Amino acid sequence: ILNVEQSPQSLHVQEGDSTNFTCSFPSSNFYALHWYRWETAKSPEALFVMTLNGDEKKKGRISATLNTKEGYSYLYIKGSQPEDSATYLCAHPGNTGKLIFGQGTTLQVKP
Amino acid sequence: DTGVSQDPRHKITKRGQNVTFRCDPISEHNRLYWYRQTLGQGPEFLTYFQNEAQLEKSRLLSDRFSAERPKGSFSTLEIQRTEQGDSAMYLCASSLRAVNTEAFFGQGTRLTVV
Repeated sequence: ILNVEQSPQSLHVQEGDSTNFTCSFPSSNFYALHWYRWETAKSPEALFVMTLNGDEKKKGRISATLNTKEGYSYLYIKGSQPEDSATYLCAHPGNTGKLIFGQGTTLQVKP
Repeated sequence: DTGVSQDPRHKITKRGQNVTFRCDPISEHNRLYWYRQTLGQGPEFLTYFQNEAQLEKSRLLSDRFSAERPKGSFSTLEIQRTEQGDSAMYLCASSLRAVNTEAFFGQGTRLTVV
């Protein structure tokens, strides 16, 4: 069983602040690392799927980095906006592709 | 294709009753997953299919839970003799087979057992 851990569990920031979260995963037998955003009353939606050590991906004000050797990924949000309020999930597939999720980081951005 | 759809969106049932949920994945996706999510937790893996074959079922899942995916299209998740601890959001997701492809989620079925 692969364990995926996320921190912090929750985060409250002011509009305009930049923030980041951490996802830790087993570094052996790495295949990919997924990030999802889950807004209230909606479905989780994929932000990034990362596969290469040192990879950095960006979508608007959100970016993510990956370190497969030490088993962690960071998600950054620059200049947080109230619409960024959501739960951010990371997931790690094993060699069978079964996605195992962390417990998520819930972000609340205050106007 | 309108994405992954789940039915019903909400279900309230009395303890001891059986319930069945349906998931219609994106048509070209051969992988289909079921997850359960409770407050403050991430999605907990229940089971998944590759086409019609059930590849794995969580050891945490009791025998009261069963899932099927006949003909590799839609899937059903049945819970027999529901208990209050079964109250949760049940999420379905589908994807292509490769580990580096994203999963697409339905909006979930919220089950409340009273």
